[in-house]
Amino acid sequence: ETGVTQTPRHLVMGMTNKKSLKCEQHLGHNAMYWYKQSAKKPLELMFVYSLEERVENNSVPSRFSPECPNSSHLFLHLHTLQPEDSALYLCASSQDLRGGADEQFFGPGTRLTVL
Amino acid sequence: AQKVTQAQTEISVVEKEDVTLDCVYETRDTTYYLFWYKQPPSGELVFLIRRNSFDEQNEISGRYSWNFQKSTSSFNFTITASQVVDSAVYFCALSEILTGGGNKLTFGTGTQLKVEL
Repeated sequence: ETGVTQTPRHLVMGMTNKKSLKCEQHLGHNAMYWYKQSAKKPLELMFVYSLEERVENNSVPSRFSPECPNSSHLFLHLHTLQPEDSALYLCASSQDLRGGADEQFFGPGTRLTVL
Repeated sequence: AQKVTQAQTEISVVEKEDVTLDCVYETRDTTYYLFWYKQPPSGELVFLIRRNSFDEQNEISGRYSWNFQKSTSSFNFTITASQVVDSAVYFCALSEILTGGGNKLTFGTGTQLKVEL
């Protein structure tokens, strides 16, 4: 595997389910990110981890719970979601060596549908 | 607060036409970085270019060129001789350093480019 991978690619869940999204980066990067992309809205940054420490939580509801067990893996645990949470969830990573200059590398995303 | 505006929601061109995608940004930082990403139908955002605020030289990469104008806070992207494979959503983004590490990208709403035969 190369780059940033995400599983599953598609997920349909009910509002009472609990599920997890997984992201893995094979680039040796130190920072990882979760973004939400809804129709007709800009990409929204949800969480940022740097060296496995959470450094940003963009007022995300507690029904989204991130986990970063090591610098290569990032999870997003989902529980009691709402239909408006249906979106494309994108994971990204960056080297985190040049501050704001680092480009972020994105995975293909998980298309989530909440019924 | 950082803000990126991409006023063009959708652009349709015929193959081989040149097309320019506009990006206007707002920031109070004196040092900042701007990015362009491409999102094909597969969904994965692909990095195209990074530009820092203290380098206003325009850049050309094959059929792609970028025009950074600090005086008008714009970072426009031109595709010369467009091809069907250029059809995608293009995002402009502004970077903000996070004190704990990493950087926060503020994205525009994107421009859907459709290139037809």
